[in-house]
Amino acid sequence: ETGVTQSPTHLIKTRGQQVTLRCSSQSGHNTVSWYQQALGQGPQFIFQYYREEENGRGNFPPRFSGLQFPNYSSELNVNALELDDSALYLCASSLASNRDNSPLHFGNGTRLTVT
Amino acid sequence: AQSVTQLGSHVSVSEGALVLLRCNYSSSVPPYLFWYVQYPNQGLQLLLKYTTGATLVKGINGFEAEFKKSETSFHLTKPSAHMSDAAEYFCAVSRNDYKLSFGAGTTVTVRA
Repeated sequence: ETGVTQSPTHLIKTRGQQVTLRCSSQSGHNTVSWYQQALGQGPQFIFQYYREEENGRGNFPPRFSGLQFPNYSSELNVNALELDDSALYLCASSLASNRDNSPLHFGNGTRLTVT
Repeated sequence: AQSVTQLGSHVSVSEGALVLLRCNYSSSVPPYLFWYVQYPNQGLQLLLKYTTGATLVKGINGFEAEFKKSETSFHLTKPSAHMSDAAEYFCAVSRNDYKLSFGAGTTVTVRA
């Protein structure tokens, strides 16, 4: 089975710019969650997408937005980048059903540096 | 609100020695509890998960964790450390399977 893939692996942006990160979910999975992992910290939940709609959001401002496509892939968009947005952005997919949810499967992340 | 506290940001063990990583949680409802491992330049891999039922949970790579409600703890152990266990370990709590609250992580180094 194909795992979770993220692109690009590394990215350098300037403060004030916009960035789009991409994620392809694992085969058979229908939900995608995004996490931000700052250096030396644990991941923090940004939001989850299920059936192309946002299905839960963490404590992140509206300039963090996302999309999920019919093939369950996803994008994370960040506008007006700030220096503190420098982090590893992790995408995780899972299979949600009425009975239970499968565990999260994480990609290797996109390392974003804002200068 | 749910949160976890991982005691000790760095743990160093000798190869073959016991690995013990401590995690305490706070949750107003019965939690889901997780341990993940992160190798350098990689994403997180699930080691084990507790939802309900048996309080001793066995995971991959010889790890196990015990849910102790009275102590609000979910410590991770492995009887005999291997060099390949060197990584960062994260404890997480959730009310479901996707919105996880992670601890700050514990880095494990294994001495030959």
